[in-house]
Amino acid sequence: EPEVTQTPSHQVTQMGQEVILRCVPISNHLYFYWYRQILGQKVEFLVSFYNNEISEKSEIFDDQFSVERPDGSNFTLKIRSTKLEDSAMYFCANNWWSSTDTQYFGPGTRLTVL
Amino acid sequence: DQQVKQNSPSLSVQEGRISILNCDYTNSMFDYFLWYKKYPAEGPTFLISISSIKDKNEDGRFTVFLNKSAKHLSLHIVPSQPGDSAVYFCAASDTGTASKLTFGTGTRLQVML
Repeated sequence: EPEVTQTPSHQVTQMGQEVILRCVPISNHLYFYWYRQILGQKVEFLVSFYNNEISEKSEIFDDQFSVERPDGSNFTLKIRSTKLEDSAMYFCANNWWSSTDTQYFGPGTRLTVL
Repeated sequence: DQQVKQNSPSLSVQEGRISILNCDYTNSMFDYFLWYKKYPAEGPTFLISISSIKDKNEDGRFTVFLNKSAKHLSLHIVPSQPGDSAVYFCAASDTGTASKLTFGTGTRLQVML
């Protein structure tokens, strides 16, 4: 069964540094998402991406965040200047068609900002 | 703004018995609901979903019930197995305007031998 993969599994960085989290979605899936889960809290939507542009973003997804598909397969989340409160699990998800189609999640990247 | 709520943070059930996990929502625009299972240090794994045009969907040991008037859904697992021990998240979306998922806070299920 096709899977969503994410790298790295764990990223440790200093406050103020830039990080790039990578996702390889399931082939032929059209919609891409990033979610995050701060320890002990619920999974929160960050951004959705379709047809090479952002479809929707949450208030969490401010100017420090950006997404792109640099090579048509990978899907990346960049945080330009990390803050302590960015420490969380970041999950990539994708589905074939939005609305009624199921979103499949990757295993996540644990980001620790020191 | 908790649009999706899971009021029970934990649930313990004996192996072989039924597990019932509950979820309430406040946004009447939600029309698609999903249950995900999550183990520590892993991503959410899709279990089962239901559209608002139905009131029940069944897949093996898992059944989801939707009560639109009460804005309530539940996940039944029967019989419960030790491997079902995990955190279960309810999620909802408004498919008319966006496909983002709004998650509940999760219920930790422990199935005891």
